[in-house]
Order: sequence, then structure tokens, then C-alpha cells
Amino acid sequence: AQTVTQSQPEMSVQEAETVTLSCTYDTSESDYYLFWYKQPPSRQMILVIRQEAYKQQNATENRFSVNFQKAAKSFSLKISDSQLGDAAMYFCAYRSRTGRRALTFGSGTRLQVQP
Amino acid sequence: EAQVTQNPRYLITVTGKKLTVTCSQNMNHEYMSWYRQDPGLGLRQIYYSMNVEVTDKGDVPEGYKVSRKEKRNFPLILESPSPNQTSLYFCASSRLAGGPGDTQYFGPGTRLTVL
Repeated sequence: AQTVTQSQPEMSVQEAETVTLSCTYDTSESDYYLFWYKQPPSRQMILVIRQEAYKQQNATENRFSVNFQKAAKSFSLKISDSQLGDAAMYFCAYRSRTGRRALTFGSGTRLQVQP
Repeated sequence: EAQVTQNPRYLITVTGKKLTVTCSQNMNHEYMSWYRQDPGLGLRQIYYSMNVEVTDKGDVPEGYKVSRKEKRNFPLILESPSPNQTSLYFCASSRLAGGPGDTQYFGPGTRLTVL
């Protein structure tokens, strides 16, 4: 079974600064997807970014980028120019490419943004 | 607007009183799934459906039922709720085809309390 570990329960960043959230995962599969989801106080789960394991190029979405290290099974999220609206819980998630398509989530990192 | 809707958003009930949480999506997605979120555990899959009349168990199916009679709807049924089913529930949907379109999009969540 796959597992996802987020070792940082809480992180804090100053507005306009950069922060990196860590995620490691364990799998025996070679083809899969990785995601970062954001959960603000409204509790809505919002997709931030997605990475296909077969792609060597790291995904980027505006101020959000990932550092995907397949051999190390590491998938960190970098948020540049942090904004107050970035404050939320961030979940790293893994999904097999086939099968029942269940997302396996980490326990989350709570990000605080200081003005 | 493309979206996944859930009702009710909040529900307080008593042990043993049957309830249904509805989920509907307007994106013509084949795949739908239910998750529950508990503190420190991330989200865990309860049931999923690959298409109409095709459903199967996820990681934590005990105490839940689902049905998929129409493509757009995927209700979650608790026939005899117990206090350990107090949780935040999410419905999600996606296309089955590969690529970015098969990313799972989440509903707003249903906060259930069983007394």
C-alpha cells in the first residue's frame, strides 16, 4: 500500500516571501500521479498542482511549483511571493494511474502567512 | 459553472437514524468517490464508482452504502449511524480518461455529527 508523509505539521512565512512544504511517499509503482491540494478555512479542497510521475519536468502553476525527485520519492511544493490568501492546510496526495483511483493523502501542513 | 454539490452541508443526528448525503456533479464525469476527513488522518476513501451501476469499496466502507443510478448523482447512505462516523465528508468526481481531465474535483464537504 502507498503511504504519504508530510513531516511539517505547521509552517509560517512572511508575506511576499517564499516557503517550501515537504512531502515524501512510498510506492512500488512506477507510474502514478502526485497532487497538492489546498484546504482553506472554508474546508473546500482545491487543487493546487498536479505532477505525472513519467514527466521529468517539474510542474508549475503561477506562484506554485514543485520539486519532484522520483528516485528519492520526494514531492515538495514551493510557494513564491506568498500572499495572505495562501494561508490554509496543504495536503500532498498520491494516486495510482489505474485501479480504483483512490487518492492517498498525507496528514497535512498548516501554512500561516504573516503580514 | 462546473461543480460538485453536496447536501446537506451540516447535519446533526442521533445514533441509529438513517440518513443520506447527496452528491451531484454537472461535468458528465464517469468517476465519483466519497471520502471522509478526520483530524490527523487526511482523507480516506469510503466508496467509489467508475460509472452508472458500478460501485466498489474503498479503504473504510464499513457502515456506509452508496448507489449510482444516474451518472450525475452518487448518494452516500448511513443506514444506522454511530458516533464514530462523525466526520467531514467529501464527494469527488473526475473523468476516467487519462491526462489532466482525470483530476478529482471535490464538493464543498458535509460536516456530520452523530450524537
